[in-house]
Amino acid sequence: DTAVSQTPKYLVTQMGNDKSIKCEQNLGHDTMYWYKQDSKKFLKIMFSYNNKELIINETVPNRFSPKSPDKAHLNLHINSLELGDSAVYFCASSQDVGSGRETQYFGPGTRLLVL
Amino acid sequence: AQSVAQPEDQVNVAEGNPLTVKCTYSVSGNPYLFWYVQYPNRGLQFLLKYITGDNLVKGSYGFEAEFNKSQTSFHLKKPSALVSDSALYFCAVRADQAGTALIFGKGTTLSVSS
Repeated sequence: DTAVSQTPKYLVTQMGNDKSIKCEQNLGHDTMYWYKQDSKKFLKIMFSYNNKELIINETVPNRFSPKSPDKAHLNLHINSLELGDSAVYFCASSQDVGSGRETQYFGPGTRLLVL
Repeated sequence: AQSVAQPEDQVNVAEGNPLTVKCTYSVSGNPYLFWYVQYPNRGLQFLLKYITGDNLVKGSYGFEAEFNKSQTSFHLKKPSALVSDSALYFCAVRADQAGTALIFGKGTTLSVSS
């Protein structure tokens, strides 16, 4: 059973398009995250949701909008895609219960290529 | 502000030899420290974490890490490296608050030769 799953695994699209990446976790966790890994493998947080409430919203262009329909899902919608958006996007989840000591578990990643 | 430093871009070891991947951190308050491994074209896999207690933490695949508060370090170690350990290793720190992010180091590529 996949703990944290993402769809699609690969996404190739043209500049200017709008696309969404979906994430689902079946771990019963209360917190979900989106991280971006750039071409140099740097990993950086984009957003986090705790019990469907937005907790972290890093300096990310407004073209990126997370949506959490329920605690098990956190989707990422990207408008007007740009070349610089090409990266690997990782979803993660954890059961925080009021602290930061819990492990975050990552999905397999979505490799986005904007042409 | 929290930060993590991994001073080595690459570590090369021969199979069967011990390995160390270095990590130092800067955080206000209690540090929660993690190691993850990433194999090519794969997601991040959790290896181990330090929250509190014993400074030597044991994790998956025979890895362990030593927390040193005075040196603000959390080096990853393994007594005997395997070729299959070759991968990209990330050290990360997290603040003690729900919903906070992992702050990652830049990663260290471990290459184990046979």
